[in-house]
Amino acid sequence: AQSVTQLGSHVSVSEGALVLLRCNYSSSVPPYLFWYVQYPNQGLQLLLKYTTGATLVKGINGFEAEFKKSETSFHLTKPSAHMSDAAEYFCAVSENNNDMRFGAGTRLTVKP
Amino acid sequence: DVKVTQSSRYLVKRTGEKVFLECVQDMDHENMFWYRQDPGLGLRLIYFSYDVKMKEKGDIPEGYSVSREKKERFSLILESASTNQTSMYLCASDREGEKLFFGSGTQLSVL
Repeated sequence: AQSVTQLGSHVSVSEGALVLLRCNYSSSVPPYLFWYVQYPNQGLQLLLKYTTGATLVKGINGFEAEFKKSETSFHLTKPSAHMSDAAEYFCAVSENNNDMRFGAGTRLTVKP
Repeated sequence: DVKVTQSSRYLVKRTGEKVFLECVQDMDHENMFWYRQDPGLGLRLIYFSYDVKMKEKGDIPEGYSVSREKKERFSLILESASTNQTSMYLCASDREGEKLFFGSGTQLSVL
């Protein structure tokens, strides 16, 4: 089955700094890839997704991710962190449109 | 507004009890999922279903079973609850390849 590895369970950045959250996947077929965010005491919501086509995907709140097949990666970036970006971020992969596997999550802290 | 509804927000059960967690979606989605969320482990897939009466094991199905008799309802059953099943349980649904819609979760404590 497909799987996801998120490198770094905790990432801390200063406000205004670049955010980079790493995700590598394993899949036997072309995957669908997702990033979800969970703000404190809230449910998960979709940030962005890659299915086919353009490998650079733009999502909500200024986030984007690039699908790199050769590196089996789907890293999430944002040029300038805001305090409101503090949350837990989950990368997920789906192989056949029927099931979705999540990574262990990365908790992002933004320092003033 | 689309909705995935989980029957209980908090649940406390005793070891050995049979536990039913119910989930209903109103979006006519084919796929439904049960995950458990634990700190440091992320979301782990227990079972999923891509059609009525169809079910597939996820990564951690041991100690759990599921039922999907109607398209809108997906039930998770803990046959004999154990303390290591204390967790946040999340139900979700989607239409193939689209985003998951999550319920608000059930925090289950097994004493």
